[in-house]
Amino acid sequence: EPEVTQTPSHQVTQMGQEVILRCVPISNHLYFYWYRQILGQKVEFLVSFYNNEISEKSEIFDDQFSVERPDGSNFTLKIRSTKLEDSAMYFCASSGRSGKSSYEQYFGPGTRLTVT
Amino acid sequence: AQSVTQLGSHVSVSEGALVLLRCNYSSSVPPYLFWYVQYPNQGLQLLLKYTTGATLVKGINGFEAEFKKSETSFHLTKPSAHMSDAAEYFCAVRPSSSGNTGKLIFGQGTTLQVKP
Repeated sequence: EPEVTQTPSHQVTQMGQEVILRCVPISNHLYFYWYRQILGQKVEFLVSFYNNEISEKSEIFDDQFSVERPDGSNFTLKIRSTKLEDSAMYFCASSGRSGKSSYEQYFGPGTRLTVT
Repeated sequence: AQSVTQLGSHVSVSEGALVLLRCNYSSSVPPYLFWYVQYPNQGLQLLLKYTTGATLVKGINGFEAEFKKSETSFHLTKPSAHMSDAAEYFCAVRPSSSGNTGKLIFGQGTTLQVKP
């Protein structure tokens, strides 16, 4: 069964450093998402991406964040200058081509980002 | 803004007992509704969804949920709990007006413990 994959599973970085979180969505999906979950809190939407551009972003997704689909298979989230409060589990998700299949978002296993 | 409330952050049942996980949403227009399950160290897996049509929806692993518009609820049930059901369960909504790239809004999650 196709699945969303994410690398790395755990990333430790120092405050102020740049990190790139990588995701490989399901191959025929068209819609891509990033969510995060700070320990003990809700899963929160960050950004959605369609047709090579951001379609929606939350207020969390400020200028420190960017997303890219560099090669037609990977989908990346970059944090330019990490802060302690960016420590969280980051989930990538993708959904299908059209109609009701676009409603079902399939999630990857997550990348745990720890900022020290 | 839409919100999702899951009553009870922890629910404990005995093996073979009924599982009931509660979810209420706030919306003037019925959204699309989802339940996801997260096993330890894994991503979010879609259990079931409601978009339109029959209000009682069946999902994987014997789970089902009923959409009740008058109560703005989408409670998750399973007649007989199994040890393998121990996990964290998330209710999520997607505003029906949000188009194909709609974000999911999650509840805070309920941890289900199953006792032998």
